[in-house]
Amino acid sequence: DAGVIQSPRHEVTEMGQEVTLRCKPISGHNSLFWYRQTMMRGLELLIYFNNNVPIDDSGMPEDRFSAKMPNASFSTLKIQPSEPRDSAVYFCASSTRTSGGAANIQYFGAGTRLSVL
Amino acid sequence: GNSVTQMEGPVTLSEEAFLTINCTYTATGYPSLFWYVQYPGEGLQLLLKATKADDKGSNKGFEATYRKETTSFHLEKGSVQVSDSAVYFCALSDNGSNTGKLIFGQGTTLQVKP
Repeated sequence: DAGVIQSPRHEVTEMGQEVTLRCKPISGHNSLFWYRQTMMRGLELLIYFNNNVPIDDSGMPEDRFSAKMPNASFSTLKIQPSEPRDSAVYFCASSTRTSGGAANIQYFGAGTRLSVL
Repeated sequence: GNSVTQMEGPVTLSEEAFLTINCTYTATGYPSLFWYVQYPGEGLQLLLKATKADDKGSNKGFEATYRKETTSFHLEKGSVQVSDSAVYFCALSDNGSNTGKLIFGQGTTLQVKP
């Protein structure tokens, strides 16, 4: 399996521009998570989906951020308009949600390093 | 709510030294516990896990034991190598909620010097 695939790996943009980050989860996984990592705030959960449905978006910092999962094999995180404080590494992770309380191992992509100038 | 607390870093050790990174948690129910590792420029990857009290997770010479009485899951390794330099995250899942969500600690940076 190729693992979780994120694109692009690096993104440099100017303040005010729209940014779209992409994620392809592991085939067969039914949960998908978007995280943001910065030196100041560490690893933050932004939003997660189960079976393509957003379950909790309380971590999304503000209305400029939106996420979609149109099907089981693709998700996007969009920032519009972008600001310098959005500069961070954004990770996508996927897992298999099971019944009966089995351990939920999340598999992470390599991340997208976003720089907003 | 559920939470995870790790010892602050960075932790700096010489090669072949003994490593302990402390992790304690607060949770309702019976969570599973994890250690993830993040090497420079990469995403997080699972290092080891334990799903019930007294379980010991182990991988690549690292070990951690699920201690329900002290709500702890400390990471240990008997002899660290330079290649172990990374950020280590302790995490828990709430098996009862069945959402797949993990609660991560803030991460502990380990630097191993030759």
